[in-house]
Amino acid sequence: AQKITQTQPGMFVQEKEAVTLDCTYDTSDPSYGLFWYKQPSSGEMIFLIYQGSYDQQNATEGRYSLNFQKARKSANLVISASQLGDSAMYFCAMREASGTYKYIFGTGTRLKVLA
Amino acid sequence: GAVVSQHPSRVICKSGTSVKIECRSLDFQATTMFWYRQFPKQSLMLMATSNEGSKATYEQGVEKDKFLINHASLTLSTLTVTSAHPEDSSFYICSATPGTEVEKLFFGSGTQLSVL
Repeated sequence: AQKITQTQPGMFVQEKEAVTLDCTYDTSDPSYGLFWYKQPSSGEMIFLIYQGSYDQQNATEGRYSLNFQKARKSANLVISASQLGDSAMYFCAMREASGTYKYIFGTGTRLKVLA
Repeated sequence: GAVVSQHPSRVICKSGTSVKIECRSLDFQATTMFWYRQFPKQSLMLMATSNEGSKATYEQGVEKDKFLINHASLTLSTLTVTSAHPEDSSFYICSATPGTEVEKLFFGSGTQLSVL
């Protein structure tokens, strides 16, 4: 069964610094997708970045990059030049290509950016 | 980008009443929609997968008679919480995936349900 693990319940980072949010996953499916979503206090889920299991290069979207270590089954999110508006809950998620195409989410990491 | 509209954003109801939550994909056809439930400071728990024109697939432990899901068209799915009780109070959030962009999941803004 697929599983997503986020071991950091909370993180602090100084404004303008970079921060890494950890995510490990487990699946027996060779084809899968990994995602990161941001959830501010308003509750909406904001898509940040996607990495396919067959992608050769790490995904990047502006200040967000995904450090994909396939052998280690990790998909850490790196936020560069943190801003106060980055303070939110961050969820790692996975979708298997086969089966029901369900998405499962990790328990989340609450990031607080300090001024 | 694709937009998913969810209404209402907040609802307060009396115990025993039913509440309907709507989820619409505004600029794409969503063959599959997902309904999640989120307790405070916790992760999103998948409740059911809704496919247009067919019965929803519920996750283990989710009462299908309590949480009625209808996906009548490619742009609309509804979740009805029947005979709501205080323990049903939660944040409910829908999501949809367009067939051509399966790598992305677009979310509604969520519904905060409070049952008194």
